[in-house]
Amino acid sequence: GNSVTQMEGPVTLSEEAFLTINCTYTATGYPSLFWYVQYPGEGLQLLLKATKADDKGSNKGFEATYRKETTSFHLEKGSVQVSDSAVYFCALSSPIGGATNKLIFGTGTLLAVQP
Amino acid sequence: GAVVSQHPSWVICKSGTSVKIECRSLDFQATTMFWYRQFPKQSLMLMATSNEGSKATYEQGVEKDKFLINHASLTLSTLTVTSAHPEDSSFYICSARGTSGRASINEQFFGPGTRLTVL
Repeated sequence: GNSVTQMEGPVTLSEEAFLTINCTYTATGYPSLFWYVQYPGEGLQLLLKATKADDKGSNKGFEATYRKETTSFHLEKGSVQVSDSAVYFCALSSPIGGATNKLIFGTGTLLAVQP
Repeated sequence: GAVVSQHPSWVICKSGTSVKIECRSLDFQATTMFWYRQFPKQSLMLMATSNEGSKATYEQGVEKDKFLINHASLTLSTLTVTSAHPEDSSFYICSARGTSGRASINEQFFGPGTRLTVL
């Protein structure tokens, strides 16, 4: 079945460091891929998405490229800020039998950015 | 973006009692709502999908008689954990998708979650 695997955290970085959070997936067909972010005390928010191979999603300085050949969707940011501290979830969405698309999440990666 | 609220944000109850969690879409009509459960250091697991006015569709392994879902209006869905036991302690999260005016909202918007502790 469909699944998402992302690197375990926590990831601790200093401000302005480069960030990579790895995400790989297993899916039948052609899923859409997402990164969600959850700030402390808040609900999950969509950070970026890509709907087909080689698409690059980007938002707030974060980027991720849909790599079908490696079944990956790694999240990157060139220079993190303290305000980026949050839990990041990789997810995929794949229609099942034409029904409502369901989101399948990875386990989440806690990012802690120190000043 | 669209806002989804949950109430309560946390609840502690005794074993054997029932607990109701509300999920509301504040500025859009939620034609579809999702209920997830999250264990510590684990991913969100979809429990059920509900369309307004219809019975919820439960994922495999989720007891529908234990986790009662009602989606009677376009802005409110409720999850009732019946005869709760300590193993039901978890973080419950809802999300919603729907329409705002004539626009279709394909993205799922998430509530902040409800922490349930059963003693």
